[in-house]
Amino acid sequence: GEDVEQSLFLSVREGDSSVINCTYTDSSSTYLYWYKQEPGAGLQLLTYIFSNMDMKQDQRLTVLLNKKDKHLSLRIADTQTGDSAIYFCAERTGNTPLVFGKGTRLSVIA
Amino acid sequence: DADVTQTPRNRITKTGKRIMLECSQTKGHDRMYWYRQDPGLGLRLIYYSFDVKDINKGEISDGYSVSRQAQAKFSLSLESAIPNQTALYFCATSGAGSYEQYFGPGTRLTVT
Repeated sequence: GEDVEQSLFLSVREGDSSVINCTYTDSSSTYLYWYKQEPGAGLQLLTYIFSNMDMKQDQRLTVLLNKKDKHLSLRIADTQTGDSAIYFCAERTGNTPLVFGKGTRLSVIA
Repeated sequence: DADVTQTPRNRITKTGKRIMLECSQTKGHDRMYWYRQDPGLGLRLIYYSFDVKDINKGEISDGYSVSRQAQAKFSLSLESAIPNQTALYFCATSGAGSYEQYFGPGTRLTVT
């Protein structure tokens, strides 16, 4: 079955860039997603990318997709303390439900 | 008003008790999902439903059952709760052909 892997922790200083990485196994993935979970809250869709795209930029967020290596990354420019959260990578093939990674806890040090 | 609501938001119950978690949505979506979240394990799919007459098992359905009472309602039951079902439970919805799943706020369940 599909598998999505991501590192569990990342710590960065306020103002620096954060890069959260994710690898997936299903080469037929249609959509790849980044969700954010703030403490005590549900999941909020941050951004997504279609599998036929290499890059997507949305304000401070840049998503890079390397289909050959099945590698997805999320870059957050000028990281702020409000960016501290758990970030989940997820993938979907066709109409199937999302498959999530274990989440990366981002800690921003002031 | 929230588009996806879950009740209760918090629940403490004892081993062996039956418990139901409810999910309602006002988005008009056909598809509904139940996930559980455990620290360090991410979200794992329990059950999902693509319409009222469709129910599918997910990755970790053992010990759970679901009921799709209407397009807008999808409930999750634990017939006989056990401590390792202590977790945060999320309901989600999506429309057919839509790329996004919308999540409810979660139900924190503790089984003692």
